[in-house]
Amino acid sequence: AQSVTQLDSQVPVFEEAPVELRCNYSSSVSVYLFWYVQYPNQGLQLLLKYLSGSTLVKGINGFEAEFNKSQTSFHLRKPSVHISDTAEYFCAVSDMNSGYALNFGKGTSLLVTP
Amino acid sequence: EPEVTQTPSHQVTQMGQEVILRCVPISNHLYFYWYRQILGQKVEFLVSFYNNEISEKSEIFDDQFSVERPDGSNFTLKIRSTKLEDSAMYFCASSGQRDQPQHFGDGTRLSIL
Repeated sequence: AQSVTQLDSQVPVFEEAPVELRCNYSSSVSVYLFWYVQYPNQGLQLLLKYLSGSTLVKGINGFEAEFNKSQTSFHLRKPSVHISDTAEYFCAVSDMNSGYALNFGKGTSLLVTP
Repeated sequence: EPEVTQTPSHQVTQMGQEVILRCVPISNHLYFYWYRQILGQKVEFLVSFYNNEISEKSEIFDDQFSVERPDGSNFTLKIRSTKLEDSAMYFCASSGQRDQPQHFGDGTRLSIL
């Protein structure tokens, strides 16, 4: 069975500080990995994806993530956050066994303060 | 940039009534999905749809639910006899290929009274 764990439900951080949002997964087959962001009262916006190839993937708004197969992780990072990055961040995984339906983590609420 | 659109943004319905949530996927996409997010909980997969039939469905997607692509642009989710626990945000998504990223709409907030 497949699962996704986001270890932190809330991450407070000061503006211009670096941030890492953690995501671990389990699957018996090869996976595709995604990070989505949800701003208040909005839908889910794709931040970045890992499908294959380079394990370091860059996304929108200065975010990047690294696929680590041995640690089954896909942590999201940004070197310097802005107030506008305050949002809910969801890690998601899909694989062929699930018909590529997305399995989401519970989300991490990133709160950036001045 | 093309986007997925959902209507209405908010739907209030009496328990036991039928409700239809509507979605217009991105025009050249072939795979369509519905997800829901109960307040304070994670986003959950409901169903995927391709070539006019259901590809995958979760345990949540029971006989109360149905999906349809009535024409070349719309994709609908029908809930036949709504229950209080159906109150949630419902998201539609589409993708060009089965293993490609899914693009989401802004959701329909369904409130059952």
